[in-house]
Amino acid sequence: DAGVTQSPTHLIKTRGQHVTLRCSPISGHKSVSWYQQVLGQGPQFIFQYYEKEERGRGNFPDRFSARQFPNYSSELNVNALLLGDSALYLCASSPGTGELFFGEGSRLTVL
Amino acid sequence: EDQVTQSPEALRLQEGESSSLNCSYTVSGLRGLFWYRQDPGKGPEFLFTLYSAGEEKEKERLKATLTKKESFLHITAPKPEDSATYLCAVRIHGSGNTGKLIFGQGTTLQVKP
Repeated sequence: DAGVTQSPTHLIKTRGQHVTLRCSPISGHKSVSWYQQVLGQGPQFIFQYYEKEERGRGNFPDRFSARQFPNYSSELNVNALLLGDSALYLCASSPGTGELFFGEGSRLTVL
Repeated sequence: EDQVTQSPEALRLQEGESSSLNCSYTVSGLRGLFWYRQDPGKGPEFLFTLYSAGEEKEKERLKATLTKKESFLHITAPKPEDSATYLCAVRIHGSGNTGKLIFGQGTTLQVKP
């Protein structure tokens, strides 16, 4: 069974650029959440989407945005990149029972 | 403020040397406590969910327990392949959604042969 898939796996951007990260949830899962994990720390919640609607937002600036598509896949967009945005971005899907299942992440480096 | 703290930050064990990892939490209302394993450069892998004090879950050499203030992840006779970072996370009442977990900073376990 396919797990949560994320793309790209690695990318390098420069300050001020824009980035789009993509996520496909486990088949049958309608909820997608995004997390940011800085090296040496636990993941931090950014967004949750369920049935294409935003259901929660963490303490992140408006430069971060996301959306969910009819097939439940999702995109995370970050504008005006800063050095501090360098992190592993994790997508998780949920069947609604409470557990989150994470993808392998997209490693973003901002130079 | 809702908070999750894990200890120790790092733990080195010899193969076969059992030990425990701690996750203490101060939250407004617990709706679930989760344990994940994370290998370097990878996403977290789900291990356990605990919902109420006294609950226990087991999987191979791992056993998770929950009290009203903390959770323990017991590792019995660990092997080198158990080396990873173990993350604890909580879901709280009133979070308004099921996708938001509050994570601790993790405990990095190294098991030497």
